[in-house]
Amino acid sequence: EAQVTQNPRYLITVTGKKLTVTCSQNMNHEYMSWYRQDPGLGLRQIYYSMNVEVTDKGDVPEGYKVSRKEKRNFPLILESPSPNQTSLYFCASSFNRGNSPLHFGNGTRLTVT
Amino acid sequence: GQQLNQSPQSMFIQEGEDVSMNCTSSSIFNTWLWYKQEPGEGPVLLIALYKAGELTSNGRLTAQFGITRKDSFLNISASIPSDVGIYFCAGPPLTPVNYGGSQGNLIFGKGTKLSVKP
Repeated sequence: EAQVTQNPRYLITVTGKKLTVTCSQNMNHEYMSWYRQDPGLGLRQIYYSMNVEVTDKGDVPEGYKVSRKEKRNFPLILESPSPNQTSLYFCASSFNRGNSPLHFGNGTRLTVT
Repeated sequence: GQQLNQSPQSMFIQEGEDVSMNCTSSSIFNTWLWYKQEPGEGPVLLIALYKAGELTSNGRLTAQFGITRKDSFLNISASIPSDVGIYFCAGPPLTPVNYGGSQGNLIFGKGTKLSVKP
């Protein structure tokens, strides 16, 4: 089944403790992206990747890092999480940038205390 | 950055009623996408529109690509309880540099939250 898989689904952590949210897609998509969803703000792009070893900042990249060493994986790294990074995070992928519809994972709800 | 203005923000309707929501932008789009997000899940694509003036249906859903290329509409006919969720419009605006060519990243409207009363 074609899908985008994120892990974990839920995560509670403390300020400053490094964490990684994994994302994997099995559709051989070139383009992958991370969004955060907050009430009243909709979906905001954090980082995106157009292909292996090619990553770029989205609208709200501060406090986040990503890597794209393999086509299928696009982990999101929070080196020193802060409470304002408490949010619902979505990974998404598509065949190419922009014109192709995005396929979303089921989300990771992160709470930073 | 560029924005999509989606309205209404929320709707509370009775089962069986029709629903209309829309999305507008100051930028031209050459693709409009409509997604639905159900509670606890990621957004799922409902309808994709690729041509100005295009009208596309998917069951009880109908979406239109505005002829100005700056707006799009989604209608749901005869709503049912499982229509509950947040509906997002999205699209890649044409960039000034590549007006007729490549597209940018998708941007999303803030969503329309639909509640249906049985």
